[in-house]
Amino acid sequence: DQQVKQNSPSLSVQEGRISILNCDYTNSMFDYFLWYKKYPAEGPTFLISISSIKDKNEDGRFTVFLNKSAKHLSLHIVPSQPGDSAVYFCAASDLIGAGSYQLTFGKGTKLSVIP
Amino acid sequence: DVKVTQSSRYLVKRTGEKVFLECVQDMDHENMFWYRQDPGLGLRLIYFSYDVKMKEKGDIPEGYSVSREKKERFSLILESASTNQTSMYLCASSSKIQLGANQFFGPGTRLTVL
Repeated sequence: DQQVKQNSPSLSVQEGRISILNCDYTNSMFDYFLWYKKYPAEGPTFLISISSIKDKNEDGRFTVFLNKSAKHLSLHIVPSQPGDSAVYFCAASDLIGAGSYQLTFGKGTKLSVIP
Repeated sequence: DVKVTQSSRYLVKRTGEKVFLECVQDMDHENMFWYRQDPGLGLRLIYFSYDVKMKEKGDIPEGYSVSREKKERFSLILESASTNQTSMYLCASSSKIQLGANQFFGPGTRLTVL
């Protein structure tokens, strides 16, 4: 069963508007949540993260919101730019032993920002 | 600039061949991971290692093995390649002490098995 779900495979947004990407999870033991961005033929790159003890983290145009009671997080991009067009993966971390963490990824949402 | 490098960007192999995918990181990270990415399925963990000579199965280890003889190098082995192993393979590494467990990814290897 999927522990991290991104229910929207794709999203189209006009340049300059807000993009909102959503992610749901089932495991209440996850302690960090991360967003990665992936362009075709490249590896994912880290975008922003949030600790499970916080409800918001902001970095420039990117803000992640966490609602623990709903087991839901979202990534807001304001304003959206054409260069933001990529696949966005939500990931959640938990301890795998020996002090190391493992990430569980969602299936991704393809964002298209239309000029 | 920190880096995770993968030996090949594109690879074409035949069914039944033994395939080696190499990954090297220069960040002195303890943890290394191999994923495959397929359309509509996201990133799925094949194997990971949190120390030299240590390996753990991920979610889809069948048909794969790994080797970690040195801290900086993590190899993925397809003992007998099959067409359903055609995929994008991604290597990643992370630090044990880093909060948030951020993983750094290589550029990926697009493997086609004919």
